Amino acid sequence: ETGVTQSPTHLIKTRGQQVTLRCSSQSGHNTVSWYQQALGQGPQFIFQYYREEENGRGNFPPRFSGLQFPNYSSELNVNALELDDSALYLCASSWDREEQYFGPGTRLTVT
Amino acid sequence: RKEVEQDPGPFNVPEGATVAFNCTYSNSASQSFFWYRQDCRKEPKLLMSVYSSGNEDGRFTAQLNRASQYISLLIRDSKLSDSATYLCVVTKNDYKLSFGAGTTVTVRA
Repeated sequence: ETGVTQSPTHLIKTRGQQVTLRCSSQSGHNTVSWYQQALGQGPQFIFQYYREEENGRGNFPPRFSGLQFPNYSSELNVNALELDDSALYLCASSWDREEQYFGPGTRLTVT
Repeated sequence: RKEVEQDPGPFNVPEGATVAFNCTYSNSASQSFFWYRQDCRKEPKLLMSVYSSGNEDGRFTAQLNRASQYISLLIRDSKLSDSATYLCVVTKNDYKLSFGAGTTVTVRA
């Protein structure tokens, strides 16, 4: 196991609602990256947080936002959920933006 | 055009067979290359990095062709446990991993 944990494991939301996903990074890691993986696709980079600052963002709208806390855990927030937001959300932690270790993911279903 | 493209397969091979597949990437500025393995409904796990000179890790061999912008993975003596989706990953060292959609390999007894 990588030591990266995510919560919740599964989540069902209704279109238009808001959701917060959480990630605890591996001990000693200061960087967290978030990815969205739709069914049958590879993970797509959402954004990365390094030492509590956003350090790069993929092609996702502003309703996807995040935070990193002083203990380097992180949250991903998605507002105004759409059906296409249904996916596996993966976080990955690393030390100083080196090799990324993935957590087990949160499976979000939007109905 | 997608940044990383892979043959989705599936590749269905008997135990002990050799299977090989490629991916291509579009950004010539890409600096680092990897193969990840993903089991059904699980997180991706790093299988191996890919170096310009080519590299082996046990039964797995990876090759990189920068001129043609493609990466390959070869699995020798396939085991049942090799059944998985193999994700090709590139990065420009901006710490954003760009994944292909994956190649599915099924090894049958």
